[in-house]
Amino acid sequence: GQNIDQPTEMTATEGAIVQINCTYQTSGFNGLFWYQQHAGEAPTFLSYNVLDGLEEKGRFSSFLSRSKGYSYLLLKELQMKDSASYLCAVRSWGKFQFGAGTQVVVTP
Amino acid sequence: EPEVTQTPSHQVTQMGQEVILRCVPISNHLYFYWYRQILGQKVEFLVSFYNNEISEKSEIFDDQFSVERPDGSNFTLKIRSTKLEDSAMYFCASSELQGDYGYTFGSGTRLTVV
Repeated sequence: GQNIDQPTEMTATEGAIVQINCTYQTSGFNGLFWYQQHAGEAPTFLSYNVLDGLEEKGRFSSFLSRSKGYSYLLLKELQMKDSASYLCAVRSWGKFQFGAGTQVVVTP
Repeated sequence: EPEVTQTPSHQVTQMGQEVILRCVPISNHLYFYWYRQILGQKVEFLVSFYNNEISEKSEIFDDQFSVERPDGSNFTLKIRSTKLEDSAMYFCASSELQGDYGYTFGSGTRLTVV
């Protein structure tokens, strides 16, 4: 089976940086994805890593270490609209296994 | 930008009734998926579908569930006899290749079983 762990909640100030960690144990691995989900809405794709290292996309960056089963999502220059749940998801062939999500609260 | 469309956005049904949730995947996509999210819990994989057959299903996807691509554009999830614990958001997704970058989720159907 698979185990995906991420913190339940994080709070940060507008304009700051927040790093959301994700650790995983999986029997099959084709990539580590990060999604953003606002309450009552569908997950929307943010970033993904297949190989080790850092991927940067504007204010969002994601890092992967396959040997350590570890990833993080870095959110820079936080804005109020970034308040949402951030889902770590491991892709095994076609399907995704999601973590429980990290609720990020951005305060003024 | 192409979208995955789901209807209805919200459905209320009585326990024991059959429901069909509908999805229109992106037109050139070949792989289709259903996920569900019980309120306050994580998104869970239900089933993947390719070439008119189920390619993988989770333990949640028991005999009460079935999927179908009835007409080449729609992709449906049927729950034969709904239970209270089936209340959840159901998300459809599609991708051009198996689990590739272009994995698009629909906006979801909120199913409430009373």
